[in-house]
Amino acid sequence: DQQVKQNSPSLSVQEGRISILNCDYTNSMFDYFLWYKKYPAEGPTFLISISSIKDKNEDGRFTVFLNKSAKHLSLHIVPSQPGDSAVYFCAASAQYNTDKLIFGTGTRLQVFP
Amino acid sequence: DSGVTQTPKHLITATGQRVTLRCSPRSGDLSVYWYQQSLDQGLQFLIQYYNGEERAKGNILERFSAQQFPDLHSELNLSSLELGDSALYFCASSVATGGDEQFFGPGTRLTVL
Repeated sequence: DQQVKQNSPSLSVQEGRISILNCDYTNSMFDYFLWYKKYPAEGPTFLISISSIKDKNEDGRFTVFLNKSAKHLSLHIVPSQPGDSAVYFCAASAQYNTDKLIFGTGTRLQVFP
Repeated sequence: DSGVTQTPKHLITATGQRVTLRCSPRSGDLSVYWYQQSLDQGLQFLIQYYNGEERAKGNILERFSAQQFPDLHSELNLSSLELGDSALYFCASSVATGGDEQFFGPGTRLTVL
């Protein structure tokens, strides 16, 4: 049972445009959400997070939006750069305890010139 | 470079065999986490150790076991290997537990033939 779903396995965006990566979850106990970025042959690295008491968190070019009623979050990258090309994982945890993260299957983003 | 090291990078073995994956956390980190990423799957949390003690358990098979040593490095032991155990195994570490950012190693790719 996939509690965190990333239904788009891949996304291709032109440099300078907006990239929108989506994530859905089923467990209403999740209250903390994270995005990780992964380059080939490297481990995932933390990108940005949001707690359920917020609906938006921004860090530079990266913004995460949370819609609790829809159990949906999205990561916006504006403007997209070729260096953003990577696999992006959405993850969730309950009780603000990130010891047990539940990851989605990832979305491969390709930013082309 | 996250500061988390994993050895070996690649491991090829046969069904029924036993292997040991090793992880050295970042200097000063007390928690170590193990994840499995099978083909087209998200990262599945296996187990967490904190300062030598098991802290949290995920979907870890009985054939798998882990431990954290006094010097804080950790080993994941996989026995009676099956074809389906072929995956990337990631180790992550964090300063403490509960809400700290996890830093991931580059992973060990296990192939079971």
